[in-house]
Amino acid sequence: GQNIDQPTEMTATEGAIVQINCTYQTSGFNGLFWYQQHAGEAPTFLSYNVLDGLEEKGRFSSFLSRSKGYSYLLLKELQMKDSASYLCAVRDSNYQLIWGAGTKLIIKP
Amino acid sequence: SAVISQKPSRDICQRGTSLTIQCQVDSQVTMMFWYRQQPGQSLTLIATANQGSEATYESGFVIDKFPISRPNLTFSTLTVSNMSPEDSSIYLCSVATGAISGANVLTFGAGSRLTVL
Repeated sequence: GQNIDQPTEMTATEGAIVQINCTYQTSGFNGLFWYQQHAGEAPTFLSYNVLDGLEEKGRFSSFLSRSKGYSYLLLKELQMKDSASYLCAVRDSNYQLIWGAGTKLIIKP
Repeated sequence: SAVISQKPSRDICQRGTSLTIQCQVDSQVTMMFWYRQQPGQSLTLIATANQGSEATYESGFVIDKFPISRPNLTFSTLTVSNMSPEDSSIYLCSVATGAISGANVLTFGAGSRLTVL
C-alpha cells in the first residue's frame, strides 16, 4: 500500500526554527508537495520538490531525498501566523496525489 | 491562481437527508476535484469532474452516494446523499491552476464542514 507519514503535532517557539518531516512509501515518485492549512481555511501551496536537494523560498525551505523516501519542511524565524497544519503530498507513478494526514504546528510566544 | 467560492461553509444535517455543495471558480478550468477531509486524516479524493462528461470516482466512492454535476467550466456541485453520521466531514473543491516544474498546483476552496446528526 501507499503511505505518507508525518508527525501529528509539533510545538515551537516564536522566532525559532522548526523542521517538519515527511516519509513516504509510494508506487513510484513524481514529485512532492507541501501545503499549509490554517484552521477552517483552504490548503495553500507552499513548495514542490521533484529532484533531490533543498528548495528555498523566503523563510520556508523544503528538502527531498528520493533514495530515502524523505522530505522535510524547514520554517525559520517562526511567527505566530505560522501556526497551521502542514500537509505533505506525493505524486505516484500514475500522477495521483497521495496525502499525509498533516502536521499541526503550534507556535508559542 | 484561481479564486474558489464554496457554499455552504458549514451545515448541520439530519440523518437520511441530502445536501448539495456548490463550487464556483473565477476562471475556466478543465478539471475540478472534490476531496473529503475527516478530522485527523489525510485528504481523500472523491472524484474528478470534467465538463461535458461523467465524473470519475475513486475507489470507495460511488455516484449514487456522491452525485456530481459539472454544467460548465466554472461551476460544479457535489451532493452527499442519504447522509449518515459517518459522512460528517469537510468537503473541499479544488482546481489545478498553474504548474511548477511540470506539476499542476492545486488551489482549494475553503471547504464545507458538514455535521450529520
